[in-house]
Amino acid sequence: AQKITQTQPGMFVQEKEAVTLDCTYDTSDQSYGLFWYKQPSSGEMIFLIYQGSYDEQNATEGRYSLNFQKARKSANLVISASQLGDSAMYFCAMREGASGGSYIPTFGRGTSLIVHP
Amino acid sequence: EAGVAQSPRYKIIEKRQSVAFWCNPISGHATLYWYQQILGQGPKLLIQFQNNGVVDDSQLPKDRFSAERLKGVDSTLKIQPAKLEDSAVYLCASSLDPAGILYEKLFFGSGTQLSVL
Repeated sequence: AQKITQTQPGMFVQEKEAVTLDCTYDTSDQSYGLFWYKQPSSGEMIFLIYQGSYDEQNATEGRYSLNFQKARKSANLVISASQLGDSAMYFCAMREGASGGSYIPTFGRGTSLIVHP
Repeated sequence: EAGVAQSPRYKIIEKRQSVAFWCNPISGHATLYWYQQILGQGPKLLIQFQNNGVVDDSQLPKDRFSAERLKGVDSTLKIQPAKLEDSAVYLCASSLDPAGILYEKLFFGSGTQLSVL
């Protein structure tokens, strides 16, 4: 079964508008971490934001915020005031913590975001 | 500070040939990962090192893939012999945090794009 599901293969947004990229996850662990990474055409994946499963507040990093709904097992990324440079692939990832494993980060298939001027 | 360095940037080989990729992590980063990213998919972990020891290689096809991290710094990933399905981008990532920390943030290189003909 997929641990991370990103249902939007592609998204389009107008410059300066906000956009939400969806991510749902599957885990039986109580302790886990959720991440979003950005991959521009250069190929280098860039860390954007982190949310721990026990964090009560939604994480924010500048124009990025994570809409964490634990009961729904969703961790959507919200980008406010989109910029042309936000055009890239976006990956949701999860690290599970309590199962005694090596905490391998698992990635979703990604969402391609295109920002129009 | 310098980022994660990978070389070569591109490689084209014929099936059954061998190929090697090199990665130099950020200075001081103890944890190093190799990921395989097939077109249209998210990265899949191949192997995880903590210093020069292997933490997890459960998804590494050991009949053809090998990796080493001598002296706990740079690392090489080798494929011998290559198959058509090995065509992918091979990403190296490093982390300052020890393996097993939930909030561990990864720093990625730009990857090596491998085409097997």
